[in-house]
Amino acid sequence: QQQVKQSPQSLIVQKGGISIINCAYENTAFDYFPWYQQFPGKGPALLIAIRPDVSEKKEGRFTISFNKSAKQFSLHIMDSQPGDSATYFCAASIGGGATNKLIFGTGTLLAVQP
Amino acid sequence: DADVTQTPRNRITKTGKRIMLECSQTKGHDRMYWYRQDPGLGLRLIYYSFDVKDINKGEISDGYSVSRQAQAKFSLSLESAIPNQTALYFCATSDYQTIRSDTQYFGPGTRLTVL
Repeated sequence: QQQVKQSPQSLIVQKGGISIINCAYENTAFDYFPWYQQFPGKGPALLIAIRPDVSEKKEGRFTISFNKSAKQFSLHIMDSQPGDSATYFCAASIGGGATNKLIFGTGTLLAVQP
Repeated sequence: DADVTQTPRNRITKTGKRIMLECSQTKGHDRMYWYRQDPGLGLRLIYYSFDVKDINKGEISDGYSVSRQAQAKFSLSLESAIPNQTALYFCATSDYQTIRSDTQYFGPGTRLTVL
């Protein structure tokens, strides 16, 4: 029940296309859902995050869509660029900053072809 | 993030050896974490510390121990390394005390190989 299931494991998208990565969870107590981006040889870095009181959050070309009833959330990267090529991790936590215990998905390796 | 440093960056050791991975941060954050990353498994929490006197086990603490020597330093030890502890290890920090932030800031990682 503590798992966060992420798909696909890998994704190839053409430059300018839309990249979509999906995550699902079971524990309805999760109340904070971040996405982290990791470039080769680097540590993950926060990309964008959402709380369940909203259904969508957009920051530039990156959008999180959140479906509370389905217990799913997804990352959309519009106008994908080669510089977006990285591994993306979804995560969830209970109590947000009160615990900061993040449960991570298994990661998606995104390759954007020029 | 240069504010979170990990040493060593790479380490090869043999089964049964004791090894320590170190993490230092200049961000002034109160909370620190150790994760391991394995292909296909994502990041899993090993230990976390909310302050110098507070240490908590994560999902996969067996075979590991930690020490929070100061607010800025958090070390991870493998008392007797085994090959399935071969992984990429990350330290992370967050600031809850000051700004109640949910964001975790990760170091550059330590690649550990146990032969």
